[in-house]
Amino acid sequence: EDQVTQSPEALRLQEGESSSLNCSYTVSGLRGLFWYRQDPGKGPEFLFTLYSAGEEKEKERLKATLTKKESFLHITAPKPEDSATYLCAATNSGSRLTFGEGTQLTVNP
Amino acid sequence: IAGITQAPTSQILAAGRRMTLRCTQDMRHNAMYWYRQDLGLGLRLIHYSNTAGTTGKGEVPDGYSVSRTNTDDFPLTLASAVPSQTSVYFCASSPTGGDYGYTFGSGTRLTVV
Repeated sequence: EDQVTQSPEALRLQEGESSSLNCSYTVSGLRGLFWYRQDPGKGPEFLFTLYSAGEEKEKERLKATLTKKESFLHITAPKPEDSATYLCAATNSGSRLTFGEGTQLTVNP
Repeated sequence: IAGITQAPTSQILAAGRRMTLRCTQDMRHNAMYWYRQDLGLGLRLIHYSNTAGTTGKGEVPDGYSVSRTNTDDFPLTLASAVPSQTSVYFCASSPTGGDYGYTFGSGTRLTVV
């Protein structure tokens, strides 16, 4: 059974304090690993797709990396507006995503 | 603005009543999905449709039904609502399969009392 596990469940950072979120996956024949951002009361917003081990993608203060067993979302010098829940998802079938439970990030000014 | 429209935004529903959550997309995506999001359980797939005219069951399909008579619309029906169906429901779509990720709607917050 496909499984996606995110850690930590919640993370509090001070503004400027860099850190990483983890996403471990058990998906045979991974076809894509996705990161989403979700703000309270809104739907998830697409951030990145990673397709193969060693791949990296960046967007502003965020960088996503992928290995054969896990993905990391690195947040460099975060700002309060980066506060959100970050969701990881994986697919092996090309049709349906399996989501992790998310990491709730709070960045204090 | 291209995207997914869900309606209603929120609803309080008496147990036993029938309810249809609406979802419309204007991106001509082939695949559409319904998820529910509950605290501590994350997003769970209810039903999906890979293309108009076809549907499939997800992880938690019991008590829900869907139809896909055209590309743009994918309504979710609760035939007889129960309190355990209290949740936030998200509709999503993707161009073809999930390789390119999903676009999500803003969600419907449903409370069954």
